[in-house]
Amino acid sequence: QQQVKQSPQSLIVQKGGIPIINCAYENTAFDYFPWYQQFPGKGPALLIAIRPDVSEKKEGRFTISFNKSAKQFSLHIMDSQPGDSATYFCAANPSSNQFYFGTGTSLTVIP
Amino acid sequence: EPEVTQTPSHQVTQMGQEVILRCVPISNHLYFYWYRQILGQKVEFLVSFYNNEISEKSEIFDDQFSVERPDGSNFTLKIRSTKLEDSAMYFCASTGSGNEQYFGPGTRLTVT
Repeated sequence: QQQVKQSPQSLIVQKGGIPIINCAYENTAFDYFPWYQQFPGKGPALLIAIRPDVSEKKEGRFTISFNKSAKQFSLHIMDSQPGDSATYFCAANPSSNQFYFGTGTSLTVIP
Repeated sequence: EPEVTQTPSHQVTQMGQEVILRCVPISNHLYFYWYRQILGQKVEFLVSFYNNEISEKSEIFDDQFSVERPDGSNFTLKIRSTKLEDSAMYFCASTGSGNEQYFGPGTRLTVT
């Protein structure tokens, strides 16, 4: 059973565009939602995270939008750059130990 | 900046052999994890470890796997009898008192 569903699988945008990656979950016990960025051959790196008591969090060019009633959250990358080309994973954590990861989105930003 | 380290970066082993993957989590962190990522696929949870014992494990973490914290700094994953399908990147991660989870650079395991 896929605890966290992520879409799209891949995304291509022009430099300066705003890619949006979406995730959905079912388990209402989840209370922490991080996004990770992974470059080829590297480990996932924590990018930004949100808790369900806020609807939006912004850090630099990265924004998470959170819709608690719809059980969805999304990552927006403002003014995207070729260096943002990577795989992005959403995840969810229910205050226990296990983190549940989405299936990943491969982002390509064309110069 | 503190970071999670892992050794070796690449391990090649023959089917049926035992391997030990090593990790040094961030020093003041309390929770430790192992994940697996088959090439091009998602990150899969294997096991979490807290207070010197396993706190959660997934279906993937069967009897051929074990974890250990042999001293105050290292955290190891042992695969007793490797299979071809164990070939993957293995990531160690740790969290402190909050939820922020930090990953190591991974060990690429190739089973031939």
